Amino acid sequence: EIVLTQSPATLSLSPGERATLSCRTSQSVRSQLGWYQQKPGQAPRLLIYDVSNRATDIPARFSGSGSGTDFTLTISSLEPEDVALYYCQQRLSWPLTFGGGTKVEIK
Amino acid sequence: QLQLQESGPGLVRPSETLSLTCTVSGGSITSGSYLWAWIRQPPGKGLEWIASVYYSGSTYYNPSLKSRVTISVDTSRNQFSLNLNSVAAADTAVYYCARPLQQSVGGVFDYWGQGTLVTVSP
Repeated sequence: EIVLTQSPATLSLSPGERATLSCRTSQSVRSQLGWYQQKPGQAPRLLIYDVSNRATDIPARFSGSGSGTDFTLTISSLEPEDVALYYCQQRLSWPLTFGGGTKVEIK
Repeated sequence: QLQLQESGPGLVRPSETLSLTCTVSGGSITSGSYLWAWIRQPPGKGLEWIASVYYSGSTYYNPSLKSRVTISVDTSRNQFSLNLNSVAAADTAVYYCARPLQQSVGGVFDYWGQGTLVTVSP
């Protein structure tokens, strides 16, 4: 099983600041990694697939990068509506696995 | 617009079987080669993939749950279902059904149901 470790657990930033979220995998997942945003009481929403491709209707301030075992989700300029939990997920191999999440807060 | 909707009991007794159904609307479950999935999230915790199924009936299971889980599909009703037996308090979670973006592989999920909270309690 591929283990995904996300850091930091919590990120507290001011509006307009850049948010950098990390996801490290226990073995290479090539480019088969995605990111989700989850707000309280809602289902996760796909943000990024295959490392750097934005899903439908996702704002350009969200971007993904990385390769192999180290991946990053960047929010270029934090908006109040970006307060949420963010999860990464690998799709290279079964079982599909998710990271533990990063909580993004507004200062 | 594709929509997924979970249904089933919100309360299950310990040692009994949890049964959920996901109804797909706005598209056919047989359209494409998607692996329709169940994912769960215990209160305040992260996401756990449970199982996936093709419309043909081929299945994939999380090894951590495989001995207790059955996923199945009913193409005539445009539904797929989850059975989890011998439940315990640790199975209390919001259960989501989902469809991946990619076909023919596990994928990341771009369509989700709203989720249904299942509580395991005497």
